[in-house]
Amino acid sequence: DAKTTQPNSMESNEEEPVHLPCNHSTISGTDYIHWYRQLPSQGPEYVIHGLTSNVNNRMASLAIAEDRKSSTLILHRATLRDAAVYYCIPPPNSGGSNYKLTFGKGTLLTVNP
Amino acid sequence: DTGVSQDPRHKITKRGQNVTFRCDPISEHNRLYWYRQTLGQGPEFLTYFQNEAQLEKSRLLSDRFSAERPKGSFSTLEIQRTEQGDSAMYLCASSLGLAGDTDTQYFGPGTRLTVL
Repeated sequence: DAKTTQPNSMESNEEEPVHLPCNHSTISGTDYIHWYRQLPSQGPEYVIHGLTSNVNNRMASLAIAEDRKSSTLILHRATLRDAAVYYCIPPPNSGGSNYKLTFGKGTLLTVNP
Repeated sequence: DTGVSQDPRHKITKRGQNVTFRCDPISEHNRLYWYRQTLGQGPEFLTYFQNEAQLEKSRLLSDRFSAERPKGSFSTLEIQRTEQGDSAMYLCASSLGLAGDTDTQYFGPGTRLTVL
């Protein structure tokens, strides 16, 4: 299975952009990268996913490197509510099945007021 | 609220007792998943169902653990003869079961189990 690496923690100020990196050097050419986040005392929630080109939704943007060995989750204006653990999830494929999300420790994002 | 719900939210039990948790997925979702999360770690996959069929069980799911989804709707996770090491947050998720890599999982708030 593909693996991902993320920094343990990052810090940002409110209303500033945040760039959360993820290395996934073993990803294959047809694998999507998913991001989830977990707010304090809640279950994880889906943020965004992408394959090759950059992706945008109402929560965030995902910039994927041209060689697809890394990606960056971008929060354009961090708010206090964005303080969470952010997980870069390798492709949920194992033997062809797409059922299992493999969470690492993620990146703990602290947002300062 | 039409999201994934879990009951109870908190459970305190004594070692050796049996506990059962319930998960109600989003109504049109075919897949249902159970994960376990210990302090400071990300969630770990335990098992999943496609409708009523349990298709995969992690090696983390010892013989003391059993999960069911009898009618393809709600699911229960039972732990028999609980041990202190079972203390964790038990998370349920559901998804439509789309083919490929784009199937999004929606998580419930979890059941926090404390074994004394």
